[in-house]
Amino acid sequence: DIVMTQSPDSLAVSLGERATINCKSSLSVLHTSNNKNYLAWYQQKSGQPPKLLFYWASTRESGVPDRFSGSGSGTDFTLTINSLQAEDVAVYYCQQYYTPHSLTFGGGTKVEIK
Amino acid sequence: QVQLVQSGAEVKKPGASVKISCTASGYTFIAYYIHWVRQAPGQGLEWMGIINPSSGGTNFAQKFQGRVTMTRDTSTDTVYMDLNTLTSEDTALYFCARDLSPGSSLAGAYWGQGTLVTVSS
Repeated sequence: DIVMTQSPDSLAVSLGERATINCKSSLSVLHTSNNKNYLAWYQQKSGQPPKLLFYWASTRESGVPDRFSGSGSGTDFTLTINSLQAEDVAVYYCQQYYTPHSLTFGGGTKVEIK
Repeated sequence: QVQLVQSGAEVKKPGASVKISCTASGYTFIAYYIHWVRQAPGQGLEWMGIINPSSGGTNFAQKFQGRVTMTRDTSTDTVYMDLNTLTSEDTALYFCARDLSPGSSLAGAYWGQGTLVTVSS
């Protein structure tokens, strides 16, 4: 199985500042046949199911504010939240879908307000 | 609009089985795979497996193979997840999620509300 490792486990950011979350996969999730990274990002607020933010590492799901961005390729990926808002407090997860029908999640990163 | 509605909370004794339902609406049921993901209290997300509602074909995470069954009923647009030989470590919130893209296993774009399963003697 591809292991997904997120860092940090948690971070506290002041309102209006930038939050950066890292995700590293144990194997490359870049498919050379289509040059796509098989990686998704989710946001999970307390008491709610996860919400898909990005797929193909950087394709924003409809309705996701543009202060959120996804980047990276191969084994190293980043979710950036520019100008953090109070409603962004949540746990964020990366997930690979490179292995057909065998998804794995990172351990999650908790984002709080400083 | 796409909706996934799951069955209610369950309390089970160790060694028992649990069967959770997930009823879909708002889209063509057989077109999109359904994932099952669980979350133990205070823990992260754990992918359990996937079902193709069109064929009934399934794939499971190795951890759950032999202990989980996923089925579907196309007459009611419902998928089921059955987990047997429960232990306290199976206490978790169980989610179903519809895939993002038809006929693909990518990511969960729409999620059920979750079903809490508590395993306790």
